[in-house]
Amino acid sequence: DVKVTQSSRYLVKRTGEKVFLECVQDMDHENMFWYRQDPGLGLRLIYFSYDVKMKEKGDIPEGYSVSREKKERFSLILESASTNQTSMYLCASRLSGGGTEAFFGQGTRLTVV
Amino acid sequence: DQQVKQNSPSLSVQEGRISILNCDYTNSMFDYFLWYKKYPAEGPTFLISISSIKDKNEDGRFTVFLNKSAKHLSLHIVPSQPGDSAVYFCAAVPIGNTPLVFGKGTRLSVIA
Repeated sequence: DVKVTQSSRYLVKRTGEKVFLECVQDMDHENMFWYRQDPGLGLRLIYFSYDVKMKEKGDIPEGYSVSREKKERFSLILESASTNQTSMYLCASRLSGGGTEAFFGQGTRLTVV
Repeated sequence: DQQVKQNSPSLSVQEGRISILNCDYTNSMFDYFLWYKKYPAEGPTFLISISSIKDKNEDGRFTVFLNKSAKHLSLHIVPSQPGDSAVYFCAAVPIGNTPLVFGKGTRLSVIA
Protein backbone atom coordinates (compact mmCIF):
# COMPACT_ATOMS: atom_id res chain seq x y z
CA ASP A 1 0.00 0.00 0.00
CA VAL A 2 1.10 3.51 -0.78
CA LYS A 3 1.88 5.49 2.28
CA VAL A 4 2.08 9.25 2.40
CA THR A 5 3.09 10.54 5.81
CA GLN A 6 2.88 14.10 7.01
CA SER A 7 5.08 15.04 9.93
CA SER A 8 2.39 16.55 12.16
CA ARG A 9 -1.37 16.09 12.56
CA TYR A 10 -1.86 19.34 14.46
CA LEU A 11 0.35 22.41 14.64
CA VAL A 12 -0.05 25.79 16.34
CA LYS A 13 2.30 28.58 15.29
CA ARG A 14 2.58 32.29 15.95
CA THR A 15 2.15 35.00 13.33
CA GLY A 16 5.47 35.74 11.62
CA GLU A 17 7.04 32.36 12.37
CA LYS A 18 8.65 30.30 9.64
CA VAL A 19 6.79 27.00 9.40
CA PHE A 20 7.92 23.75 7.81
CA LEU A 21 5.46 21.04 6.84
CA GLU A 22 7.10 17.78 5.86
CA CYS A 23 5.75 15.01 3.66
CA VAL A 24 7.28 11.64 2.84
CA GLN A 25 5.99 8.97 0.43
CA ASP A 26 7.26 5.41 0.15
CA MET A 27 6.15 4.37 -3.35
CA ASP A 28 8.78 6.06 -5.50
CA HIS A 29 6.21 8.40 -7.04
CA GLU A 30 7.59 11.10 -9.28
CA ASN A 31 4.86 13.64 -8.60
CA MET A 32 4.11 15.28 -5.27
CA PHE A 33 1.60 17.98 -4.38
CA TRP A 34 0.61 20.32 -1.59
CA TYR A 35 -3.02 21.37 -1.21
CA ARG A 36 -4.94 23.30 1.38
CA GLN A 37 -8.55 22.60 2.25
CA ASP A 38 -10.87 25.31 3.53
CA PRO A 39 -14.63 25.12 4.08
CA GLY A 40 -16.54 25.96 0.91
CA LEU A 41 -13.35 26.26 -1.14
CA GLY A 42 -12.48 22.61 -1.66
CA LEU A 43 -8.92 21.50 -2.32
CA ARG A 44 -6.69 24.22 -3.69
CA LEU A 45 -3.30 23.44 -5.17
CA ILE A 46 -0.41 25.38 -3.66
CA TYR A 47 2.67 23.85 -5.28
CA PHE A 48 3.63 20.63 -7.02
CA SER A 49 6.76 18.87 -8.15
CA TYR A 50 7.40 16.48 -11.02
CA ASP A 51 10.83 15.40 -9.90
CA VAL A 52 13.67 16.10 -7.51
CA LYS A 53 14.65 19.76 -7.42
CA MET A 54 11.69 20.66 -9.66
CA LYS A 55 8.76 22.75 -8.52
CA GLU A 56 5.78 24.38 -10.13
CA LYS A 57 3.34 26.94 -8.76
CA GLY A 58 -0.22 25.86 -8.28
CA ASP A 59 -3.27 28.07 -7.95
CA ILE A 60 -2.40 29.79 -4.67
CA PRO A 61 1.41 29.87 -4.19
CA GLU A 62 1.64 33.29 -2.53
CA GLY A 63 3.17 33.15 0.92
CA TYR A 64 4.51 29.63 0.41
CA SER A 65 7.60 27.95 -0.95
CA VAL A 66 8.60 24.31 -1.36
CA SER A 67 11.65 22.12 -1.36
CA ARG A 68 12.27 18.74 -2.95
CA GLU A 69 15.82 17.57 -2.34
CA LYS A 70 14.97 13.87 -2.38
CA LYS A 71 12.39 12.01 -4.44
CA GLU A 72 10.45 10.78 -1.44
CA ARG A 73 10.26 14.06 0.46
CA PHE A 74 8.39 17.27 -0.35
CA SER A 75 8.39 20.14 2.11
CA LEU A 76 6.05 23.10 2.28
CA ILE A 77 7.42 26.28 3.85
CA LEU A 78 5.42 29.19 5.15
CA GLU A 79 7.99 31.96 5.08
CA SER A 80 6.16 34.19 7.58
CA ALA A 81 2.98 32.60 8.87
CA SER A 82 -0.17 34.68 8.87
CA THR A 83 -3.61 34.02 10.35
CA ASN A 84 -5.12 33.56 6.87
CA GLN A 85 -2.87 30.53 6.46
CA THR A 86 -4.77 28.70 9.17
CA SER A 87 -6.02 25.68 7.27
CA MET A 88 -5.85 21.94 6.70
CA TYR A 89 -2.78 21.14 4.60
CA LEU A 90 -2.74 17.98 2.53
CA CYS A 91 0.20 16.37 0.80
CA ALA A 92 -0.31 13.92 -2.07
CA SER A 93 1.81 11.80 -4.39
CA ARG A 94 1.11 10.21 -7.73
CA LEU A 95 2.82 8.24 -10.47
CA SER A 96 3.65 10.27 -13.53
CA GLY A 97 1.46 9.85 -16.58
CA GLY A 98 -2.28 9.93 -16.83
CA GLY A 99 -5.01 7.73 -15.45
CA THR A 100 -3.70 7.28 -11.95
CA GLU A 101 -5.06 8.49 -8.67
CA ALA A 102 -3.23 10.63 -6.16
CA PHE A 103 -2.64 9.28 -2.67
CA PHE A 104 -3.02 11.67 0.22
CA GLY A 105 -1.43 11.96 3.61
CA GLN A 106 -3.49 12.30 6.77
CA GLY A 107 -3.33 16.08 6.71
CA THR A 108 -1.87 18.74 9.01
CA ARG A 109 -4.27 21.05 10.74
CA LEU A 110 -2.30 24.30 11.10
CA THR A 111 -3.51 27.11 13.32
CA VAL A 112 -1.69 30.44 13.19
CA VAL A 113 -2.36 32.66 16.20
CA ASP B 1 -12.57 29.55 -13.92
CA GLN B 2 -13.76 26.37 -12.26
CA GLN B 3 -13.23 23.38 -14.51
CA VAL B 4 -14.86 20.85 -12.17
CA LYS B 5 -18.05 21.84 -10.39
CA GLN B 6 -19.99 20.19 -7.62
CA ASN B 7 -23.04 22.39 -7.37
CA SER B 8 -24.56 20.84 -4.25
CA PRO B 9 -22.57 21.74 -1.12
CA SER B 10 -24.55 19.25 0.94
CA LEU B 11 -26.92 16.31 0.68
CA SER B 12 -28.94 14.42 3.29
CA VAL B 13 -30.16 10.89 2.67
CA GLN B 14 -31.87 8.30 4.83
CA GLU B 15 -30.03 5.13 5.66
CA GLY B 16 -30.76 2.40 3.12
CA ARG B 17 -31.75 4.80 0.35
CA ILE B 18 -29.70 5.84 -2.67
CA SER B 19 -27.26 8.74 -2.51
CA ILE B 20 -26.52 10.51 -5.80
CA LEU B 21 -23.66 12.98 -5.93
CA ASN B 22 -23.21 15.04 -9.06
CA CYS B 23 -20.26 16.64 -10.82
CA ASP B 24 -19.99 18.74 -13.98
CA TYR B 25 -16.88 19.60 -15.93
CA THR B 26 -16.03 22.04 -18.68
CA ASN B 27 -12.84 20.69 -20.22
CA SER B 28 -13.14 17.96 -22.86
CA MET B 29 -9.48 17.02 -22.41
CA PHE B 30 -9.95 15.13 -19.16
CA ASP B 31 -8.74 11.55 -19.35
CA TYR B 32 -10.06 10.02 -16.13
CA PHE B 33 -12.45 11.01 -13.40
CA LEU B 34 -12.10 10.09 -9.76
CA TRP B 35 -14.15 10.26 -6.60
CA TYR B 36 -12.57 10.76 -3.20
CA LYS B 37 -14.11 10.49 0.24
CA LYS B 38 -12.90 12.63 3.13
CA TYR B 39 -13.65 12.37 6.83
CA PRO B 40 -12.93 15.35 9.11
CA ALA B 41 -9.29 15.66 10.20
CA GLU B 42 -8.19 12.99 7.71
CA GLY B 43 -6.79 13.02 4.20
CA PRO B 44 -9.02 12.16 1.22
CA THR B 45 -9.14 8.50 0.25
CA PHE B 46 -9.65 7.28 -3.28
CA LEU B 47 -13.05 5.68 -3.83
CA ILE B 48 -13.66 4.88 -7.49
CA SER B 49 -12.61 6.06 -10.94
CA ILE B 50 -13.84 5.96 -14.51
CA SER B 51 -12.02 6.30 -17.79
CA SER B 52 -13.31 8.84 -20.29
CA ILE B 53 -13.92 5.99 -22.76
CA LYS B 54 -16.43 4.27 -20.45
CA ASP B 55 -19.83 5.29 -19.23
CA LYS B 56 -20.13 3.22 -16.07
CA ASN B 57 -17.92 1.68 -13.42
CA GLU B 58 -19.14 -0.27 -10.44
CA ASP B 59 -17.46 -1.33 -7.20
CA GLY B 60 -19.70 -2.85 -4.59
CA ARG B 61 -22.17 -0.25 -3.36
CA PHE B 62 -20.53 2.48 -5.44
CA THR B 63 -21.24 3.17 -9.11
CA VAL B 64 -19.96 6.07 -11.17
CA PHE B 65 -21.72 7.12 -14.36
CA LEU B 66 -20.18 9.32 -17.03
CA ASN B 67 -22.18 11.24 -19.64
CA LYS B 68 -19.59 12.76 -21.93
CA SER B 69 -22.02 14.63 -24.14
CA ALA B 70 -23.39 16.42 -21.08
CA LYS B 71 -19.95 16.68 -19.41
CA HIS B 72 -21.50 15.21 -16.29
CA LEU B 73 -20.68 12.43 -13.92
CA SER B 74 -22.43 11.08 -10.89
CA LEU B 75 -21.64 8.80 -7.98
CA HIS B 76 -24.39 6.49 -6.76
CA ILE B 77 -24.19 4.85 -3.35
CA VAL B 78 -26.68 2.06 -2.75
CA PRO B 79 -27.65 1.37 -0.04
CA SER B 80 -26.40 4.39 1.90
CA GLN B 81 -24.98 3.73 5.35
CA PRO B 82 -24.23 6.11 8.25
CA GLY B 83 -20.50 5.45 7.73
CA ASP B 84 -20.80 7.00 4.28
CA SER B 85 -21.30 10.41 5.90
CA ALA B 86 -18.30 12.40 4.66
CA VAL B 87 -17.29 15.03 2.13
CA TYR B 88 -17.04 13.65 -1.41
CA PHE B 89 -14.74 15.27 -3.94
CA CYS B 90 -14.97 14.81 -7.66
CA ALA B 91 -11.62 15.07 -9.47
CA ALA B 92 -10.59 15.08 -13.11
CA VAL B 93 -7.29 13.90 -14.56
CA PRO B 94 -6.09 15.99 -17.49
CA ILE B 95 -4.34 14.28 -20.40
CA GLY B 96 -0.61 14.36 -19.75
CA ASN B 97 1.26 14.69 -16.52
CA THR B 98 -0.60 17.56 -14.86
CA PRO B 99 -2.24 17.83 -11.45
CA LEU B 100 -5.72 16.57 -10.73
CA VAL B 101 -8.44 19.18 -10.81
CA PHE B 102 -10.84 18.97 -7.86
CA GLY B 103 -14.38 20.14 -7.31
CA LYS B 104 -15.29 21.92 -4.08
CA GLY B 105 -16.90 18.86 -2.55
CA THR B 106 -20.34 17.74 -1.41
CA ARG B 107 -21.02 16.92 2.24
CA LEU B 108 -23.14 13.78 2.47
CA SER B 109 -25.07 13.07 5.64
CA VAL B 110 -26.69 9.67 5.95
CA ILE B 111 -29.35 9.73 8.62
CA ALA B 112 -30.18 6.57 10.54
